[in-house]
Order: sequence, then C-alpha cells, then structure tokens
Amino acid sequence: NAGVTQTPKFQVLKTGQSMTLQCAQDMNHEYMSWYRQDPGMGLRLIHYSVGAGITDQGEVPNGYNVSRSTTEDFPLRLLSAAPSQTSVYFCASSYSTLAGVGADTQYFGPGTRLTVL
Amino acid sequence: GEDVEQSLFLSVREGDSSVINCTYTDSSSTYLYWYKQEPGAGLQLLTYIFSNMDMKQDQRLTVLLNKKDKHLSLRIADTQTGDSAIYFCAEKEPGRRALTFGSGTRLQVQP
Repeated sequence: NAGVTQTPKFQVLKTGQSMTLQCAQDMNHEYMSWYRQDPGMGLRLIHYSVGAGITDQGEVPNGYNVSRSTTEDFPLRLLSAAPSQTSVYFCASSYSTLAGVGADTQYFGPGTRLTVL
Repeated sequence: GEDVEQSLFLSVREGDSSVINCTYTDSSSTYLYWYKQEPGAGLQLLTYIFSNMDMKQDQRLTVLLNKKDKHLSLRIADTQTGDSAIYFCAEKEPGRRALTFGSGTRLQVQP
C-alpha cells in the first residue's frame, strides 16, 4: 500500500491564483481530512469528510473548498490564493466503523509546502 | 473550547531519557496521542493511550496520563540522535474523529 499520497510537494502561487492540492489513499478509509501547519501553531483542521459525498468544515475553512466524489480522493481547492494561506498542508485518513468510537488512528501524507506571494 | 499545550523545545544528550510534557483542557477527551514529525515529513503516530489508563509502555516509549491534572507525558528511554524531531500531543473528543493538536515540542539530541 502507498498509504496517503499528496501532490505536489512544493508549490508557489501568486496572490489571486487558484489551485488544487491532491490527496489520495489506498487503505479504503472512510474518514479523510485536511490540516494546515503553521509555525508555533500545531495543526489546524480545515475540512473533513466521513465518506464519499459527505464533507464538513473544520476550524479554519475560509478560502478553501473540498469535495469527495470517491473514497480514495479528497482534493483541497484554493479559489483565490492569499499570502495568509502560505503554510504546509497535510492530508490524513482513518478507518472506523462508528464515528468517534475507537482510537481512529490517523495516517498522514508527506505534506504540500505552499507559498503565496 | 479544547486546548492542548506543549513546551516548544527540549535538548538532551544521547543515551539520556527525554520527557516531553503536554497539558490539555478537555476533561472528556477519550484518546490522547503522540505523533513524531521528522524534517520535511508528515506526522507518524508513535503511540496513543485511552483515557481510562494511567500508563502505556511500548519498547523505549512510556506514556503517562494524569487525568486529574489533565497532564500527558512521553518518556523516551536511551534517546538516540534519530529521535531528533518534533513531537506533537493530540487529543480526541468522544463522538469526533478530528484531533486537536498541540503546537509541538522540538527534541534535539546532542551526541
């Protein structure tokens, strides 16, 4: 299994540009999520999905859109990039039969480092 | 809301024990986790503990949980240079899958 994969690894955008960060997992996990990591602030949840066709907002959703058309893929879209979105983005997935029951061990991708000029 | 706090930096000598501390505010947390992040990499789950346990040991790692004080610690015995990384504490509330992370503790191991 490849686990959780993310592309690209690095990206530089100009203010106002749009782009999609890709995330895929091959573990048949129901739950997928996007976090951003900023210095001194840990990881903050952007959006998450509990299954294909179902998405919801996390702690910091503004400026980002997601969709979940398949179990495997969970892309994150920046519609109009801003310098405040400069960050490292991590995708994570986990498997559980009942929401919130069990350890829900989350597996993380290697991250995408995004710079918005 | 929930909050997870960690000290920013810890330096130890190779062969010594490291103790990384974490405090959290949500008394209903069900699971508490320790993740390791090496430079340029994603987060790797090291271990987790269920909230009704006091201690969990896994090879060189010992997790201690003081639920009364809402304090979690990770002890790494015989610390090696390969243990140099950022260590994140995280908690999970009942009924939620999302984790709340601390800001991370950078562990530096001196040879």
